[in-house]
Amino acid sequence: ILNVEQSPQSLHVQEGDSTNFTCSFPSSNFYALHWYRWETAKSPEALFVMTLNGDEKKKGRISATLNTKEGYSYLYIKGSQPEDSATYLCAYNTGNQFYFGTGTSLTVIP
Amino acid sequence: GAVVSQHPSWVICKSGTSVKIECRSLDFQATTMFWYRQFPKQSLMLMATSNEGSKATYEQGVEKDKFLINHASLTLSTLTVTSAHPEDSSFYICSALSLAGGPSTGELFFGEGSRLTVL
Repeated sequence: ILNVEQSPQSLHVQEGDSTNFTCSFPSSNFYALHWYRWETAKSPEALFVMTLNGDEKKKGRISATLNTKEGYSYLYIKGSQPEDSATYLCAYNTGNQFYFGTGTSLTVIP
Repeated sequence: GAVVSQHPSWVICKSGTSVKIECRSLDFQATTMFWYRQFPKQSLMLMATSNEGSKATYEQGVEKDKFLINHASLTLSTLTVTSAHPEDSSFYICSALSLAGGPSTGELFFGEGSRLTVL
């Protein structure tokens, strides 16, 4: 059973603060690493698909980095806003299957 | 982005009844869809892989006769929880695999999820 871990489990930050969280995954059988943003009562929304070691992707105030050799990815949010409050899920893709972490629940306090 | 619709969002049923949950890809064809179950504070656990035109592949520990999956078309997969019992109460969510970006970076698009409560 592949183990994908996300930390912290939950996070509360003040509006305007920058924050980051981690996704750890096995460094073997790597195909891609996916980040999703999941708001309550909505579908998980794809943020990034990362495939290459050293990849860095950015979408607005959110960016992500990837280290496939050591098996981790960081998600950064710059200048957090209340609308960023959500659960952020990562998924490790072996090419045959997606393995999900438990998510990091982010609450941005106005 | 691609849209996947899941219905119903909430369902409450009596013990012993069967419940069907639908997962539709609205703007792309999905030969592969996935069904997950999520317990509180746990990650999404894959139950089965649904393949259009063939039998679903179930994960170890998931009862095939309990959780019937039908993927009759390229845009619809259904999960039927048969003879539901209180322990089947959970959050069920589907995803559809889009290969629009090429096979090497297949992307999952999720439904909104279905909350099942069995009394």
